[in-house]
Amino acid sequence: GQNIDQPTEMTATEGAIVQINCTYQTSGFNGLFWYQQHAGEAPTFLSYNVLDGLEEKGRFSSFLSRSKGYSYLLLKELQMKDSASYLCAALDSNYQLIWGAGTKLIIKP
Amino acid sequence: GAVVSQHPSWVICKSGTSVKIECRSLDFQATTMFWYRQFPKQSLMLMATSNEGSKATYEQGVEKDKFLINHASLTLSTLTVTSAHPEDSSFYICSARDSLEDHNEQFFGPGTRLTVL
Repeated sequence: GQNIDQPTEMTATEGAIVQINCTYQTSGFNGLFWYQQHAGEAPTFLSYNVLDGLEEKGRFSSFLSRSKGYSYLLLKELQMKDSASYLCAALDSNYQLIWGAGTKLIIKP
Repeated sequence: GAVVSQHPSWVICKSGTSVKIECRSLDFQATTMFWYRQFPKQSLMLMATSNEGSKATYEQGVEKDKFLINHASLTLSTLTVTSAHPEDSSFYICSARDSLEDHNEQFFGPGTRLTVL
C-alpha cells in the first residue's frame, strides 16, 4: 500500500532550527511536496523536490533521498508565526498526491 | 502567482438541504481540480478528482450521488453536497493544477467551512 509517515507533533524554540522528517512508500514516484497549514486555513505550498538533494528557499530548505524514500523540511531562525502543521505529500505514478497526516509544530518563546 | 478562490467561505445550513461550493482558478487554466475534506486535527482526505469536460473520479467510500461534482469550464468546478446531514460538517478544500505547469503543484483554495445543523 501507499503510506506517508511523519511525526505527529514537534516543539521548538523561537530562533532555533527544526527538522521535520517524512518517509514515504508509493506506487511510483513523481516528486514530494511540503505544505504549511495554519489552523482553519487551507495549505500553502512550501517546496517541491523530485531530484535527490537539498533545495534552499530562504529560511526553509527541503531535502530528498529517493533511494531511501525519505525527505525532510528544515526550518531555520524559527519565528512564532511558523507555528502550524506541516504536511508532506508524495506524488505517485498516477500523479495523485498521497498525504501524510501532518506534523504540528509548536514554537515556544 | 496562481490563485484559487472558493465560495462561500463558510455556510450553515439545515439538515436535508443542499449546498453548492464553487472553486475557481483566477489566473490560470485548470484541466484538473481536486476536492478534499478535512475533519478537525486530521489530514486532508481526497474526495474526488474533477476533470474538465468529463465525469469526476471519486475515491473509495465517497458517494458520488451525494457529492455532485461539475467541472464545466477550465476555471470552475463545483461541489454540491446533497441532502446534507450533521456528519457532513467539515472543512472542504479545493485545489487546482495548472495545465501548463510541469511539476504538478496543486494550488489550494481558502476552503469552505460547512456546518449542518
